[in-house]
Amino acid sequence: DTAVSQTPKYLVTQMGNDKSIKCEQNLGHDTMYWYKQDSKKFLKIMFSYNNKELIINETVPNRFSPKSPDKAHLNLHINSLELGDSAVYFCASTPGQDINEQFFGPGTRLTVL
Amino acid sequence: GEDVEQSLFLSVREGDSSVINCTYTDSSSTYLYWYKQEPGAGLQLLTYIFSNMDMKQDQRLTVLLNKKDKHLSLRIADTQTGDSAIYFCAERNAGNNRKLIWGLGTSLAVNP
Repeated sequence: DTAVSQTPKYLVTQMGNDKSIKCEQNLGHDTMYWYKQDSKKFLKIMFSYNNKELIINETVPNRFSPKSPDKAHLNLHINSLELGDSAVYFCASTPGQDINEQFFGPGTRLTVL
Repeated sequence: GEDVEQSLFLSVREGDSSVINCTYTDSSSTYLYWYKQEPGAGLQLLTYIFSNMDMKQDQRLTVLLNKKDKHLSLRIADTQTGDSAIYFCAERNAGNNRKLIWGLGTSLAVNP
């Protein structure tokens, strides 16, 4: 199936741990994004990569580090997890650098205890 | 600054029309979008309208754009229970083609 996929779907972890979320798209898109959706459903962009190059870096704590090994993958590593990091994290992609239709992954629900 | 606002909740009866409203502040908007998020899923583009259009119709969906008032609406005709979801309005402006400005989402509940 052509899609944006994320792993894991659910992640429960203790405060202070380090965790990673992976994203892959097989749509041939050049640009990928990470969004955070909080408990009130507010959607906030975190990062965007175009062809492995960082193009958007919003005000996000430096505990969050994205990594794009190739244009089909964008992973998110989070150090020293805090309670406030609990949210649903969505990966998305678009064909080019100019944003138009975004294709979203199913989300990763992160719960920090 | 740029801002997109939506009412948070809407409840309708099955078979009625739903109208979800959105206002935005940026007069240089080029595209405006409606995304749908079903429970436990990612967002999916429903429809979009270019800023030089007033209306766009796609089956049960009608998008109206009043550029003067910076008001966008999404009308869903013959609303079904499967339309229950959160609907996000988003805008792209001429100053920044690389990200969208998102509303907070309107949660639509369809009652049988």
